[in-house]
Amino acid sequence: SQQGEEDPQALSIQEGENATMNCSYKTSINNLQWYRQNSGRGLVHLILIRSNEREKHSGRLRVTLDTSKKSSSLLITASRAADTASYFCATDAVRIKAAGNKLTFGGGTRVLVKP
Amino acid sequence: DGGITQSPKYLFRKEGQNVTLSCEQNLNHDAMYWYRQDPGQGLRLIYYSQIVNDFQKGDIAEGYSVSREKKESFPLTVTSAQKNPTAFYLCASTFSRDNYGYTFGSGTRLTVV
Repeated sequence: SQQGEEDPQALSIQEGENATMNCSYKTSINNLQWYRQNSGRGLVHLILIRSNEREKHSGRLRVTLDTSKKSSSLLITASRAADTASYFCATDAVRIKAAGNKLTFGGGTRVLVKP
Repeated sequence: DGGITQSPKYLFRKEGQNVTLSCEQNLNHDAMYWYRQDPGQGLRLIYYSQIVNDFQKGDIAEGYSVSREKKESFPLTVTSAQKNPTAFYLCASTFSRDNYGYTFGSGTRLTVV
């Protein structure tokens, strides 16, 4: 089952522009994470935001979390051609302790940054 | 350097064959995971393990099996019961405590021939 769903599915922008993508989820979470995947490669962890946090920054990345709306956004500022990749949100749902921690991933947003 | 290694990078399977994908990490992580990714899609959880000699089914465990005999290793076997095994398989690991991100391997692309 897909807990997180990203929007848009694809995004094309010019170098230097900002890229914004959104993630919606269904159940209560401990944290929400964003990952990046270059074509044919593994995922790279970008940023984690806890359920009691509303905004977090890391370099050119800005993540917001609205638990009342069960949604998050990832903003990449001043995009570069090297930012071309797929971006996934993943949620760590509140769980029964014995179940163990596990992430549920959305379908991703494919971002193309044109030089 | 610490990391997580998947092998092989490409694997071809004939109909009716079992194949095993390797995943090894030297990050001292407790938890390990196997995900399947189909073209243009997100990741779906196959199996995961929090500690040695224990593992749980994910959302799509049918046709797969795993073992966790060592902390560092979590091999995945794709059995002949998996009817549509062609996909990109990703292994990940993390600490079994809240609020840690995953470290992913570089993936194994499995194709049925």
